[in-house]
Amino acid sequence: EVQLVQSGAEVKKSGESLKISCKGSGYSFTNYWIGWVRQMPGKGLEWMGIIYPGDSDTRYSPSFQGQVTISADKSIDTAYLQWSSLKASDSAMYYCAAQRYGNAGFDPWGQGTLVTVSS
Amino acid sequence: QSALTQPASVSGSPGQSITISCTGTSSDVGGYNYVSWYQQHPGKAPKLMVYDVSKWPSGASNRFSGSKSGNTASLTISGLQAEDEADYYCTSYTRSTTPGYVFGTGTKVTVL
Repeated sequence: EVQLVQSGAEVKKSGESLKISCKGSGYSFTNYWIGWVRQMPGKGLEWMGIIYPGDSDTRYSPSFQGQVTISADKSIDTAYLQWSSLKASDSAMYYCAAQRYGNAGFDPWGQGTLVTVSS
Repeated sequence: QSALTQPASVSGSPGQSITISCTGTSSDVGGYNYVSWYQQHPGKAPKLMVYDVSKWPSGASNRFSGSKSGNTASLTISGLQAEDEADYYCTSYTRSTTPGYVFGTGTKVTVL
């Protein structure tokens, strides 16, 4: 089965660091871009950035550049999204997704990781 | 980079057809045939329904069809069913900004 499995929900305090993961299986993980998407409570979807696990080529949305770090470890088919200093406004659901269909066709998606940051 | 514009809500009765629009610019929707559509049920991850304007991914229902004219892409749901009630988002490749993609504002579909 082609799938992405994300790490579990996190509850953190402002100023703490965090790294969440997204592990692929059932397809050639290194050959497809992985995108990270934020969804704040009751809001729409926002692209944060994408990474090509094969060579770790990474591109960030201007809104997230400098705020998060996207990385990948192709030896274990896993992508990561990390923060060095969380803010309450980082509280959201975060999804990873693989671009396996054409250009802008992302499937599968991970189940999402809920991050809650208290101030 | 501004989000693509979608209507906030669209509704229809079971069996009817409805269409959701997604309006961008010549830098995104109008410039490339790289528009995809996602369905999201409450509390669930998005699901790819259509890619490259009008193609179906493996396992997708052909009741969902996509098209494009100028700077506006559209998703038509035929034979509307109760399980189609969800939020729908378009996304397009864009040359205006990294990482090269932009989402639509999202449309809530209600089955009456």
